Amino acid sequence: GAVVSQHPSWVICKSGTSVKIECRSLDFQATTMFWYRQFPKQSLMLMATSNEGSKATYEQGVEKDKFLINHASLTLSTLTVTSAHPEDSSFYICSARDFGTSGMYHNEQFFGPGTRLTVL
Amino acid sequence: AQKVTQAQTEISVVEKEDVTLDCVYETRDTTYYLFWYKQPPSGELVFLIRRNSFDEQNEISGRYSWNFQKSTSSFNFTITASQVVDSAVYFCALRAGGRTYSGGSNYKLTFGKGTLLTVNP
Repeated sequence: GAVVSQHPSWVICKSGTSVKIECRSLDFQATTMFWYRQFPKQSLMLMATSNEGSKATYEQGVEKDKFLINHASLTLSTLTVTSAHPEDSSFYICSARDFGTSGMYHNEQFFGPGTRLTVL
Repeated sequence: AQKVTQAQTEISVVEKEDVTLDCVYETRDTTYYLFWYKQPPSGELVFLIRRNSFDEQNEISGRYSWNFQKSTSSFNFTITASQVVDSAVYFCALRAGGRTYSGGSNYKLTFGKGTLLTVNP
């Protein structure tokens, strides 16, 4: 249980294009999803917290118009990198919070496999 | 503010050696949770353990063991008889236990910078 998928697993795009990354909770409902960015040999940095049916909360320094987040259902959140530039190249990881009423790790975050974005 | 410090950037050991990864944390919350994650070269984060602030009992799971010491704000992770497959980046993380010092609920994870463990054959 508690499986999170991401699609695509990697993407290469030209500078100026927009890229959409999907994050799905496969076997549980996730009222909250989180988006992280990880640069090579660095830690995960939280970009935003996404709650189903409401606007995402962005961390300080993250441009909300640059990184559009939509959490339209309890199992899907999307991150769109608009007008991507080479400096946006990174590993993007989502996590979904299992808000189930039971289970040893309910309320914890489970992570997707990540999406590697390369902007040429 | 919450902070997690993993002072060891890289560790290299020979297979079958024991290795301890250090984690020191800072928080003003009285209730909090500590985590360890493994990130192999594939990139996916693998959950290893969660420990809450009221449970200082050490835990052992196979070759893995964790030593939680509130007095020193540390949550160290030991791998016994390391194997090549243990090679990965290991992250320690912290989150508040529902309500932060400021009074709001918070499920955000604060990660340390990670320790790259290389186990050589």
